[in-house]
Amino acid sequence: QKEVEQNSGPLSVPEGAIASLNCTYSDRGSQSFFWYRQYSGKSPELIMSIYSNGDKEDGRFTAQLNKASQYVSLLIRDSQPSDSATYLCAVNIRGNFNKFYFGSGTKLNVKP
Amino acid sequence: DGGITQSPKYLFRKEGQNVTLSCEQNLNHDAMYWYRQDPGQGLRLIYYSQIVNDFQKGDIAEGYSVSREKKESFPLTVTSAQKNPTAFYLCASRSASGNEQFFGPGTRLTVL
Repeated sequence: QKEVEQNSGPLSVPEGAIASLNCTYSDRGSQSFFWYRQYSGKSPELIMSIYSNGDKEDGRFTAQLNKASQYVSLLIRDSQPSDSATYLCAVNIRGNFNKFYFGSGTKLNVKP
Repeated sequence: DGGITQSPKYLFRKEGQNVTLSCEQNLNHDAMYWYRQDPGQGLRLIYYSQIVNDFQKGDIAEGYSVSREKKESFPLTVTSAQKNPTAFYLCASRSASGNEQFFGPGTRLTVL
């Protein structure tokens, strides 16, 4: 079983809509959670980190964490064509702060 | 400018050759990482280092070697023992105080 699972997509949404990206993880000791955006041919860029249950908002982005259900999600409001990219979910496990586990990413297409 | 640099951006290798990928950071980060990314897949950890003169194998260390003689530098050597080295290689670093990991621009290695 993979540590971090994501639907590979592609997820297609119209411009201006809300894009919802989901990620599940297997280790209940996971303590830190991250979302990266990766444009084609480029390296991942950190866009959100979340450490406690609930929502964390940053501009058009909201990360949601539910440790009981072992999932973390990313909402992108007012989606723009420039948001089209692959979004990687990553987790860091308690007691093993130096290792990060990545999902395979969800490809998002925002159509004008 | 603070950041992580990787060189070269593109690298071509003949079969049987060893090649070294450079990674330098001026963020004063303690931990550094090397990942490999294959098309349509997530990141797989090759090696990581928490401090100078110390490093640990990741999940796919076979055929790779690293050194950490300086805090700023964490070069990766892809040896001829690595059977399928064509991939996108990403270097990352993380500060001791924070838990967020940041990536360099990557090196795309192709075996001819």
